[in-house]
Amino acid sequence: GAVVSQHPSRVICKSGTSVKIECRSLDFQATTMFWYRQFPKKSLMLMATSNEGSKATYEQGVEKDKFLINHASLTLSTLTVTSAHPEDSSFYICSAAGERETYEQYFGPGTRLTVT
Amino acid sequence: GQNIDQPTEMTATEGAIVQINCTYQTSGFNGLFWYQQHAGEAPTFLSYNVLDGLEEKGRFSSFLSRSKGYSYLLLKELQMKDSASYLCAVMDSNYQLIWGAGTKLIIKP
Repeated sequence: GAVVSQHPSRVICKSGTSVKIECRSLDFQATTMFWYRQFPKKSLMLMATSNEGSKATYEQGVEKDKFLINHASLTLSTLTVTSAHPEDSSFYICSAAGERETYEQYFGPGTRLTVT
Repeated sequence: GQNIDQPTEMTATEGAIVQINCTYQTSGFNGLFWYQQHAGEAPTFLSYNVLDGLEEKGRFSSFLSRSKGYSYLLLKELQMKDSASYLCAVMDSNYQLIWGAGTKLIIKP
């Protein structure tokens, strides 16, 4: 199956700093990438959908200026958490979808962010 | 509103069979997915149903009834490694996934 990587897998940062998370599709072109956030024992929460070369579409309640998403190429999307606070600590997961009949999303391994 | 319901937790015995149910109410329907998620890891794809009926894939089978807004994931010959959360997700009319909260499956020896 298709492979999606995320970097870093874990990051600890101080409150007020910014953190960038990369999501790469390794063996296919991802026309659409999704960013999710998962709280403990909760379902995945879609944060935003991005298409290559265009601005991301954010879900209601997600701050665009705080969670900056860039989808610069068909294989790379980045999520930057700006001025991070402890409440931003979470598991962030990206997924990528190519032009497949089932619209199947392939998930990255996730990034555990801890803000101290 | 859109809603996906599945049990919070289930317990089963190694070697047995377990059925995890999922009911949904969404704006449009473009398929239902089942994912497996081990603690601290991202979900992995198990199955996709868009037509009514049963899809079998090894030890795992998934069933869909669109008229009833209902699906189940059937796991046979349970193994300890099957202990995980199982997420039901429906793709709505905008081709976005609506996620259930997941069912934590505990396998006992």
